[in-house]
Order: sequence, then structure tokens, then C-alpha cells
Amino acid sequence: QKEVEQNSGPLSVPEGAIASLNCTYSDRGSQSFFWYRQYSGKSPELIMFIYSNGDKEDGRFTAQLNKASQYVSLLIRDSQPSDSATYLCAVYNQGGKLIFGQGTELSVKP
Amino acid sequence: DADVTQTPRNRITKTGKRIMLECSQTKGHDRMYWYRQDPGLGLRLIYYSFDVKDINKGEISDGYSVSRQAQAKFSLSLESAIPNQTALYFCATSDLPGLAGRDTQYFGPGTRLTVL
Repeated sequence: QKEVEQNSGPLSVPEGAIASLNCTYSDRGSQSFFWYRQYSGKSPELIMFIYSNGDKEDGRFTAQLNKASQYVSLLIRDSQPSDSATYLCAVYNQGGKLIFGQGTELSVKP
Repeated sequence: DADVTQTPRNRITKTGKRIMLECSQTKGHDRMYWYRQDPGLGLRLIYYSFDVKDINKGEISDGYSVSRQAQAKFSLSLESAIPNQTALYFCATSDLPGLAGRDTQYFGPGTRLTVL
């Protein structure tokens, strides 16, 4: 079992819809969770981080964390074609290592 | 100017050659990292350094070595390149957080390495 797992996709949504990206992790002691966006051929850039159970909102993005279920998600409201990218979930495990999932490719169709 | 720079941005080399990838940062961060990215495998940690005198192996360090020449510079070397080291390589930096395990990593633009 991978420490951090994401569906590789591609996830296709129409413009204006909500895109839901999911991530599960295996280390129950993990405390910090990050979402990065990566455009093709570019470097990852941080979108959001979340530490506490519940929701955290930043503009069109909402991160949701459920530590009991070891699950973190990213919702993108009013999806735009410019949101088309690969989204990487990253989790700090108890050993202090930041572990990345394999990424979910999102395609927003006009 | 970019906060984290990598050179070269693209490199094609032959099997058996020694190659060095360089990373420089102006963010003033203590922590630096080297990752490789392969399709479908995400980012995997090669080496990391928490300060100039601290070097640690990551998940996939075999075949690689690093040098932390200064707080701002962290180099990755492939001693004898092989084709399965063909990948996209990223350098990243982070600052010492107030609470451990919460530092955000900032990535350089990447180096695309091809080993023939």
C-alpha cells in the first residue's frame, strides 16, 4: 500500500462545475496535508495546506480533512479551463518526510 | 528573479557519464531537497539537507550523491548515469517551521534529464 494514494485520472469536468479530488494516506500520525498544482512540464506550486479536521476555504478552493478516515480532499468550485493540471496531494508522515501521491490529472472542458 | 533556480534546464547525456545538476535559492531557507518525477510515480525524494552540515538520504538515493556547498546551493550528482535515471528533477526549499512538519516546500523550475 502506498503511503499517499490518489486516483490518477484523468478527471474530466465541464467548465463551471465542481471538481472533487481525493487523497488517502496510511500513516495515522500524519499532521500536515498539502495540495500542489502542477501544469504540464512545470514545477509544483502550493495551492493550500490544512492541519485540522474540517474544511478550509481559499477562494474557489476548499480543502477537507478527515483524520479518522485518513482522507483529504480538494474541491474546486466554478472550475475553469485554466484549472486543468495535475494535482498532487502531499502528507508529512510521523517520520517528518513529505510524501507525495502520484497526482490526479484534471481536465476542465469549455 | 526566481527564488529557486536550477541549471541546466535540459540535459542529454550518455550512459556512464558523470553529471551534476545545480540548485540555488535566494529565499534564505535552511532546508533543501532533491526530487525526481517519473510519469505515474509522482515525486520521489532523493536527498535532503536541513543545513550545510546535514545531508540525508531519501527514498531513492542509490546512484546519486549530493553536495551542500552553502546555505543557498545544493547540487545533485549522478556518478555514472544510466537510462533509468531519465526523469524530471526538481530542487525544493523550505524554512524551519514553528511547528515541526508544517513547512511548505517551494520548487525550482526543474531539470529534464535524458540518459541515452
